[in-house]
Amino acid sequence: GAGVSQSPSNKVTEKGKDVELRCDPISGHTALYWYRQSLGQGLEFLIYFQGNSAPDKSGLPSDRFSAERTGGSVSTLTIQRTQQEDSAVYLCASSLVGTNEKLFFGSGTQLSVL
Amino acid sequence: RKEVEQDPGPFNVPEGATVAFNCTYSNSASQSFFWYRQDCRKEPKLLMSVYSSGNEDGRFTAQLNRASQYISLLIRDSKLSDSATYLCVLEYGNKLVFGAGTILRVKS
Repeated sequence: GAGVSQSPSNKVTEKGKDVELRCDPISGHTALYWYRQSLGQGLEFLIYFQGNSAPDKSGLPSDRFSAERTGGSVSTLTIQRTQQEDSAVYLCASSLVGTNEKLFFGSGTQLSVL
Repeated sequence: RKEVEQDPGPFNVPEGATVAFNCTYSNSASQSFFWYRQDCRKEPKLLMSVYSSGNEDGRFTAQLNRASQYISLLIRDSKLSDSATYLCVLEYGNKLVFGAGTILRVKS
């Protein structure tokens, strides 16, 4: 595709429900990142994929958060038993190889947990 | 201490002004540095990389001081369209660490 695509663009859910966020990186990009951004805050690193493997999961806030990437392409971020503090914009980015290159961001998923 | 620290601003400047932002970082092992720009309710976009010798891209100049662990961004002849949040970014291991950003508002 032309850019990084994320879906849904908005998600409203009730506390305790599970949600799944999807990211379609730029074709051919091997590195994929998930960040989240709360209102008025900076970007918080969640997880990094190189191909299908995740060498760095250090940013996942709790065991309710998990992510996978299949076929070296699409990635899914799953949040189980959502809490109100999970409300944020979840941003996905990809780059050709790694962190010393330009990151291309998707437009994000706005998650609101009621 | 935060990995990346920035003055949140806002910096309110008139069109045509020169404005500079600084950013300090704590991890001396970081090798790559960047400035990203984020418009309101939009995703961040790369503005420029920061090289050890300093680099310029039109009205924008970036500098890196490894000894003091800070990077800077200078914007000359500010335009209304420069209004945005400027994010200081550095590489740390397998991730890019983002500062919380400095808000710039350019007014006519």
